[in-house]
Amino acid sequence: LAKTTQPISMDSYEGQEVNITCSHNNIATNDYITWYQQFPSQGPRFIIQGYKTKVTNEVASLFIPADRKSSTLSLPRVSLSDTAVYYCLVAKGNTGKLIFGQGTTLQVKP
Amino acid sequence: KAGVTQTPRYLIKTRGQQVTLSCSPISGHRSVSWYQQTPGQGLQFLFEYFSETQRNKGNFPGRFSGRQFSNSRSEMNVSTLELGDSALYLCASSLRQGPVGETQYFGPGTRLLVL
Repeated sequence: LAKTTQPISMDSYEGQEVNITCSHNNIATNDYITWYQQFPSQGPRFIIQGYKTKVTNEVASLFIPADRKSSTLSLPRVSLSDTAVYYCLVAKGNTGKLIFGQGTTLQVKP
Repeated sequence: KAGVTQTPRYLIKTRGQQVTLSCSPISGHRSVSWYQQTPGQGLQFLFEYFSETQRNKGNFPGRFSGRQFSNSRSEMNVSTLELGDSALYLCASSLRQGPVGETQYFGPGTRLLVL
């Protein structure tokens, strides 16, 4: 399974756009890139998933370059409630096995 | 639609005992995966069940076992508890097997403390 590397922590201020980049050099052809958010003492919550180019939903955008060796989660106009740990995962199709890395702790300040 | 539920939410056991944790997936979901989360090791995959069959297994000793029932509910059992088994145990369900195009929905977890 492809290993992912992302920053341990990031700070931001309310209203700013936050971009968290994840490196996954060994991504395989049938791997998808998925991001989860986790608040303390809660289970992770799915944010977004993509295979290539750009995916956007109501909470975030995911940018994936052509070589797919990295991806960037973009959170527009963050608020204090976006303070959480964000995990980047690479997963193959048809498997329920998710490999979580250390995640990025995002601290949003007023 | 109700989310993933896990029982109990908190549990205190002593070394050497065994424990059974329960997970009820979202109605209609057939895949259930279990994870262990600790401050030192982070989130680690335990196993996945689909249609009552274990489909994937993580690198945990045989003391950790699970099963899935015909209604997709799943149980996880840990025998001969060790102090290091203290963790948050998370269950996740998805409609079909696999995360591709399938959102995995996590429950709130069971926090196990082994004394």
